[in-house]
Amino acid sequence: AQSVTQLDSQVPVFEEAPVELRCNYSSSVSVYLFWYVQYPNQGLQLLLKYLSGSTLVKGINGFEAEFNKSQTSFHLRKPSVHISDTAEYFCAAFSGGYNKLIFGAGTRLAVHP
Amino acid sequence: GAVVSQHPSRVICKSGTSVKIECRSLDFQATTMFWYRQFPKQSLMLMATSNEGSKATYEQGVEKDKFLINHASLTLSTLTVTSAHPEDSSFYICSASGAGDSSTDTQYFGPGTRLTVL
Repeated sequence: AQSVTQLDSQVPVFEEAPVELRCNYSSSVSVYLFWYVQYPNQGLQLLLKYLSGSTLVKGINGFEAEFNKSQTSFHLRKPSVHISDTAEYFCAAFSGGYNKLIFGAGTRLAVHP
Repeated sequence: GAVVSQHPSRVICKSGTSVKIECRSLDFQATTMFWYRQFPKQSLMLMATSNEGSKATYEQGVEKDKFLINHASLTLSTLTVTSAHPEDSSFYICSASGAGDSSTDTQYFGPGTRLTVL
């Protein structure tokens, strides 16, 4: 079965510090991987995605993620966060075999001044 | 590009009434639309997948007679919560795929609809 695990439910960090949000997936077939951000009372906005090719993916708002097949991970990173990055972040995997997007539980990023 | 809208953004209704939520892809043709439900501080739960012109595929445990989905065109899908009850109160989010080069692997999400049933 396909599953997505976000190891941290909450990540507090100070402004301008680096941050990494962890995501691991399990799947017996090839997957596409995504990171979405959700601000309060809003829908999800696509940050970045990995479909194929280069394992380092750059997205919007200065975020990037690295696909690691051997570790089945797709961790999200940002070298310097801003207060405005405070939001809920969801990792998701899409497998053609299941034909649907499987979401992790989400990680709440709280950036403090 | 790849903008998805939802209407209404917020609705309050009395128990027993039906509520319709619209999901539109504004600048692309959505071959597939998805409906999710999100409880407070939780992840998204897929309710159903719909393809234009065909019946929706519901996830296990989702009542198809209660949550009616219509995908009449490539830009519009509707979710009707029939005979709503307080336990149906939730945040409903739609998404659509099929943007640009007909890629079906990326879903673009609407802003969500907050349903409160009194």
